[in-house]
Amino acid sequence: RKEVEQDPGPFNVPEGATVAFNCTYSNSASQSFFWYRQDCRKEPKLLMSVYSSGNEDGRFTAQLNRASQYISLLIRDSKLSDSATYLCVVRGGGADGLTFGKGTHLIIQP
Amino acid sequence: NAGVTQTPKFRVLKTGQSMTLLCAQDMNHEYMYWYRQDPGMGLRLIHYSVGEGTTAKGEVPDGYNVSRLKKQNFLLGLESAAPSQTSVYFCASSYSHPAGVYNEQFFGPGTRLTVL
Repeated sequence: RKEVEQDPGPFNVPEGATVAFNCTYSNSASQSFFWYRQDCRKEPKLLMSVYSSGNEDGRFTAQLNRASQYISLLIRDSKLSDSATYLCVVRGGGADGLTFGKGTHLIIQP
Repeated sequence: NAGVTQTPKFRVLKTGQSMTLLCAQDMNHEYMYWYRQDPGMGLRLIHYSVGEGTTAKGEVPDGYNVSRLKKQNFLLGLESAAPSQTSVYFCASSYSHPAGVYNEQFFGPGTRLTVL
């Protein structure tokens, strides 16, 4: 059973374009949602939390749809430095860590 | 502020050997976690701890043991390494209750382990 599903990509996108990823989760009781970014051979780092009303951080916009159980990440005016793997992360109500998607690989091309 | 550190960074073991991975954090976090990351599998939780002296099993605990004798340290042990344990191991810590909104986990740089 796949708890958190993402399109692995890669997404090849020209610099300056807008790109969007979706992620679906199976546990309707999930309480917290995040996007993490992981550069090649590095540790994951929090990109942004995802709030029920949707939230924006600069060029990044995250949305949550509880009814359809998916979250999305939109990147506007993409930069070469946005090239990375983006991990969809979901937490239930307990203390037992996070459930990670396998990640979506994004390549921004000059 | 070093954040989360892990030692060693790389290690090669032979089947049946034992080793301990050390994770240290200087952020006074209560919660600490060990994950493994394999190609095509994503990160999977091995064990976690909600405070000094406590540990609990995660998704893939078999073949591993952990200890949290000090708040700042979380040790992961492999008693008899197997090739299936070849992976990248990440430690993480968090500063608030995991069910809270602001419960960011901070990750260490990882340990790359190969078991021959």
